[in-house]
Amino acid sequence: DAKTTQPPSMDCAEGRAANLPCNHSTISGNEYVYWYRQIHSQGPQYIIHGLKNNETNEMASLIITEDRKSSTLILPHATLRDTAVYYCIVRGTQGGSEKLVFGKGTKLTVNP
Amino acid sequence: DAGITQSPRHKVTETGTPVTLRCHQTENHRYMYWYRQDPGHGLRLIHYSYGVKDTDKGEVSDGYSVSRSKTEDFLLTLESATSSQTSVYFCAGGQGLDYGYTFGSGTRLTVV
Repeated sequence: DAKTTQPPSMDCAEGRAANLPCNHSTISGNEYVYWYRQIHSQGPQYIIHGLKNNETNEMASLIITEDRKSSTLILPHATLRDTAVYYCIVRGTQGGSEKLVFGKGTKLTVNP
Repeated sequence: DAGITQSPRHKVTETGTPVTLRCHQTENHRYMYWYRQDPGHGLRLIHYSYGVKDTDKGEVSDGYSVSRSKTEDFLLTLESATSSQTSVYFCAGGQGLDYGYTFGSGTRLTVV
């Protein structure tokens, strides 16, 4: 699976958009980009994923560059409850099995 | 998420004793995973399963074994617990690449 690079921490003002970048320059054609977050000591929570096209759901938007080497997770109106560690993961199938490997993620702090 | 239930939620055990953690899912997930999370290391994959009786090793599998005799249950066993296995353990499940994965609430294991 391709590796990802994320900034270790970011700050965002409450009510503003939070834009979390992820670099995955070694991504291959069959690998998806996934985003999860972990709030305090809870289990990670799935946010969104995509392959080539931009995606949007009730939680966030995912913007993937045309060359697929980077992506941005957008939380359009961040709230204090969005303070969490955000993980960008790239994965695909390998020999019929699937690994889901987490990196260190970005610690997002939403400030009042 | 109620679809993934981990038991026990907390456990204290003595060094050298066997310990089994249980992950139970009600959503017919094909893929299931066990992770451990420690300060400074993030989430690390221990073992995963891609079907009943089909399992494979992750990043940190030494000292752990798993079993999956039916779709619903994925068991993680520490044959002889050591203090280095003190950690929070998370289970996850999912259907495959085009879906997000669901995590349990975690099991906090302390080996004394």
